[in-house]
Amino acid sequence: DAGVTQSPTHLIKTRGQQVTLRCSPKSGHDTVSWYQQALGQGPQFIFQYYEEEERQRGNFPDRFSGHQFPNYSSELNVNALLLGDSALYLCASLSRRSGVYEQYFGPGTRLTVT
Amino acid sequence: GENVEQHPSTLSVQEGDSAVIKCTYSDSASNYFPWYKQELGKGPQLIIDIRSNVGEKKDQRIAVTLNKTAKHFSLHITETQPEDSAVYFCAASSAGGYQKVTFGTGTKLQVIP
Repeated sequence: DAGVTQSPTHLIKTRGQQVTLRCSPKSGHDTVSWYQQALGQGPQFIFQYYEEEERQRGNFPDRFSGHQFPNYSSELNVNALLLGDSALYLCASLSRRSGVYEQYFGPGTRLTVT
Repeated sequence: GENVEQHPSTLSVQEGDSAVIKCTYSDSASNYFPWYKQELGKGPQLIIDIRSNVGEKKDQRIAVTLNKTAKHFSLHITETQPEDSAVYFCAASSAGGYQKVTFGTGTKLQVIP
């Protein structure tokens, strides 16, 4: 049973560029949430996708956007990158339809903005 | 919005001793409280959770307690082992965990052999 997978593992970008991160949820899960984890901090909720729609959003600017595909996988897009966007980006999945409310996290994508 | 505070930020214990991590939350609507363990280079792993209709839950060497009136919840690890060394996060969520989860700032636990 595959867990949550994320790609790429690491990424280095320059200020002003755009980045796309990808996530495949755990088998059987239909809901994906994205979190940003700065060094030494707890994860902060960016947004959640279910049935290909953004269902809830945290306190992040519109530069952060996402998408969910029919196979439940998801992408996180960040435009006009800032140095402060350097962080570990985590994807978590759960299953609303099956009543699985525990979130399972992937290993994350480490983004460095120079 | 919800605010979760966590103490201590670092904790060192001798192998075999107990470790306690404490958290407080601000939103009385929160009804689901998971605890995560994060090892270096990995994503957070759920280790135990508790719902607001339960005061205590235990799973082998790990236990969590919840005081809804005081908005406090705690993680207790007994008979600590070196492999328990990691960063632990408490968290809180309304809607039973189906939506946004708010994390504490983490506790770095070091178990000394």
